Amino acid sequence: GQQVMQIPQYQHVQEGEDFTTYCNSSTTLSNIQWYKQRPGGHPVFLIQLVKSGEVKKQKRLTFQFGEAKKNSSLHITATQTTDVGTYFCAGRRNYQLIWGAGTKLIIKP
Amino acid sequence: GAGVSQTPSNKVTEKGKYVELRCDPISGHTALYWYRQSLGQGPEFLIYFQGTGAADDSGLPNDRFFAVRPEGSVSTLKIQRTERGDSAVYLCASSSQAGPNYGYTFGSGTRLTVV
Repeated sequence: GQQVMQIPQYQHVQEGEDFTTYCNSSTTLSNIQWYKQRPGGHPVFLIQLVKSGEVKKQKRLTFQFGEAKKNSSLHITATQTTDVGTYFCAGRRNYQLIWGAGTKLIIKP
Repeated sequence: GAGVSQTPSNKVTEKGKYVELRCDPISGHTALYWYRQSLGQGPEFLIYFQGTGAADDSGLPNDRFFAVRPEGSVSTLKIQRTERGDSAVYLCASSSQAGPNYGYTFGSGTRLTVV
């Protein structure tokens, strides 16, 4: 069945460094959504990408959807402690969202 | 309400018992979803309601799991003969339109522990 693979599982960065997480699907996606989950919290919707090659920005966050609509990435510039959490991508299949396993952003002390 | 409300926030039950988990979605949201999340994993789809009807229940793992939404707002997820493997955080989400073309608003979840 359709799967969404997300890498890396963890990323340790110094505060101020950049962070990137990647998602790849085995099939073409209608759209892809990104969520952030803080430790002990629930997923919070960040953004949805629909068009091939689409790029969207939210302040220090840049989201991309691949030309083939099979991959996506989230890039955070100059991470801050408030960015800590797990970032999930989720791709559409019919009425379901198929979720990646998430990338946990950890700020080194 | 202002957000998606789930009760209880925590539930500890003995193996073999029956449990009910409640979700109160955002007022006016027609689409409601149940997911469950195990530690270190992404949410796993269980069931999707559009209005009162279950539009897609293909994620329910077996017939011990059942969900209802009789009046198109509050939903209850019911688990019979609970097993230790059912332990997880059960998340409810709603959205204002049918289908996942719109971002979900999640509740805080119910942490179910089967001992």
